[in-house]
Amino acid sequence: SQTIHQWPATLVQPVGSPLSLECTVEGTSNPNLYWYRQAAGRGLQLLFYSVGIGQISSEVPQNLSASRPQDRQFILSSKKLLLSDSGFYLCALDHGQPYEKLFFGSGTQLSVL
Amino acid sequence: KNQVEQSPQSLIILEGKNCTLQCNYTVSPFSNLRWYKQDTGRGPVSLTIMTFSENTKSNGRYTATLDADTKQSSLHITASQLSDSASYICVVSARDSNYQLIWGAGTKLIIKP
Repeated sequence: SQTIHQWPATLVQPVGSPLSLECTVEGTSNPNLYWYRQAAGRGLQLLFYSVGIGQISSEVPQNLSASRPQDRQFILSSKKLLLSDSGFYLCALDHGQPYEKLFFGSGTQLSVL
Repeated sequence: KNQVEQSPQSLIILEGKNCTLQCNYTVSPFSNLRWYKQDTGRGPVSLTIMTFSENTKSNGRYTATLDADTKQSSLHITASQLSDSASYICVVSARDSNYQLIWGAGTKLIIKP
């Protein structure tokens, strides 16, 4: 069965520091991959999605970027974190039609101080 | 503007009791409506998905209803258990914008023994 690995589960970073969050998928191939952010009391916000290696679509212009160097690896990065980057970051996957049957990882809680 | 509003924001009930959570949406054109359960610190898990022609769908003790005319949905939980404590999120898919998902902020449900 498919599994999404996200680490770390919790991260505290100072403002202005870089960020790298990794999402690794097992048990499936050629997935669509997504990065979502969930702020406290708000709905999930789609940040990036990818339908294949090297193919990234950005939904929200900001200081974050994403890369997909391998079929089952999706990385979220920032060169300089802002306070507003705090939130719960979720990696998700599905197959075929985008957003059809999203399967989520366990997330990373990021606090920028 | 496409929006999903959920009520109440939070709810506390005793174990064994029933409850109903509400969702109103203004998403157009409508594709489908989903309910997710999200345990604290975890990713959301799909409970039900309903298209325009479906007005009710069950998943165990969870029953979702949809009134596409009034753009309202509800999630009814029967004979609540302690494990039902979680946030319940209503999500609507728009048929344009590449079927992107519009997420509600969720209802936080606490079941007390």
